[in-house]
Amino acid sequence: EVRLVESGGGLVQPGGSLRLSCAASGFTFSSEWMHWVRQDPGKGLVWLTRISPDGSDTKYADIVKGRFSIFRDNGRNTLYLQMDSLRAEDTAVYYCAREFNLTPKEDYWGQGALVTVSS
Amino acid sequence: DVVMTQSPLSLPVTLGQPASISCRSSQGLVTSDGTIYLNWFQQRPGQSPRRLINKVSKRDSGVPDRFSGSGSGTYFTLKITRVEAEDVGLYFCMQGTHWPYTFGQGTKLEIK
Repeated sequence: EVRLVESGGGLVQPGGSLRLSCAASGFTFSSEWMHWVRQDPGKGLVWLTRISPDGSDTKYADIVKGRFSIFRDNGRNTLYLQMDSLRAEDTAVYYCAREFNLTPKEDYWGQGALVTVSS
Repeated sequence: DVVMTQSPLSLPVTLGQPASISCRSSQGLVTSDGTIYLNWFQQRPGQSPRRLINKVSKRDSGVPDRFSGSGSGTYFTLKITRVEAEDVGLYFCMQGTHWPYTFGQGTKLEIK
């Protein structure tokens, strides 16, 4: 069974940092492109970032470029999102997901991690 | 960024009746090899999104055949032939041709 389990969400003050983790199982993690997508309180989805299977190729949305970093540990089957300089508008549910655009293979999403940025 | 505009944003439908959601992109979505990376996602209440349709019209595994996607150029449509109770939720189109990937605002389907 494929599972993606996010952790690391919580309450953080503006300007603070948080690291999300996404533990993968049930598939060959090291062979898959992975993404982070967030859903704001108004329920819209926003694509944030993507990483190649070996971690050498990353892409970011402008809204997080320079503040967020995606990386992975294939030995631990874990995807990460390092979030720095957090702002109130970063408050959202953050999802990790297996590649859902370039392949006809089934997509998989985690259950989501809530990040609240507030003083 | 490519803007994806969905309509309607709210869609009350009677059980057993058809439903249709449109999605318009601010730019063409055809790649140099002719592929159109236009996807549709469903998000049931309390659940994570899941893809229903990829590349405009290819239904994902396990997706009922009452769901279909079509379109070309900058105009795309998701249709449900007969709405069932389990179809309640949010529907999003998403383009993956241009960076960054962008989603439509979402359409909330509810039973009338």
